[in-house]
Amino acid sequence: DGGITQSPKYLFRKEGQNVTLSCEQNLNHDAMYWYRQDPGQGLRLIYYSQIVNDFQKGDIAEGYSVSREKKESFPLTVTSAQKNPTAFYLCASSIFGTGYNQPQHFGDGTRLSIL
Amino acid sequence: AQKVTQAQTEISVVEKEDVTLDCVYETRDTTYYLFWYKQPPSGELVFLIRRNSFDEQNEISGRYSWNFQKSTSSFNFTITASQVVDSAVYFCALSRGQGGSEKLVFGKGTKLTVNP
Repeated sequence: DGGITQSPKYLFRKEGQNVTLSCEQNLNHDAMYWYRQDPGQGLRLIYYSQIVNDFQKGDIAEGYSVSREKKESFPLTVTSAQKNPTAFYLCASSIFGTGYNQPQHFGDGTRLSIL
Repeated sequence: AQKVTQAQTEISVVEKEDVTLDCVYETRDTTYYLFWYKQPPSGELVFLIRRNSFDEQNEISGRYSWNFQKSTSSFNFTITASQVVDSAVYFCALSRGQGGSEKLVFGKGTKLTVNP
């Protein structure tokens, strides 16, 4: 089935540790996105990528890093500089460049907690 | 700057009641897109509808209907004859319609609980 796969489902981070969240899509979408969701809050954009080997900061990029070496993959690293990483992280993808703002399709999310 | 406001934090209804979820947006763009997403307890966001700023026609899909009014900058969502399976958090979102920027700005969501 086509879709977006995020792993792991649950992740725990120790103080001073970097962790990487995986996001893979087989929808052949050009654009991919990472969002952070805190309880009672909407989704906030961390990073997005509209093409391979290129990505842009979103509204809350500090303490995070990404790479886009392959069209189907967009991993997110939560660095030790992110002091409040506990949140639900959602990855999304969409067709890009049609001029009609295609809807984004979302994965099942990764819940990150601090040990 | 773009902003989406969902003033209703939580709504609780009894099954078969109709319920309307409000969404008010702010943008200076003349071309933009509005979306509704559903987030069930499992966590993933499910796309429900996309509407562009030039199409003010209301839309109906089964028990779901959407009312887009540019005059009041609102894009409200109504569920008719609600069911327990409709229990979820619903998000309204906005994106710019030009310049290749298709980032979404989300409201904070409305948690809907449908009780049997």
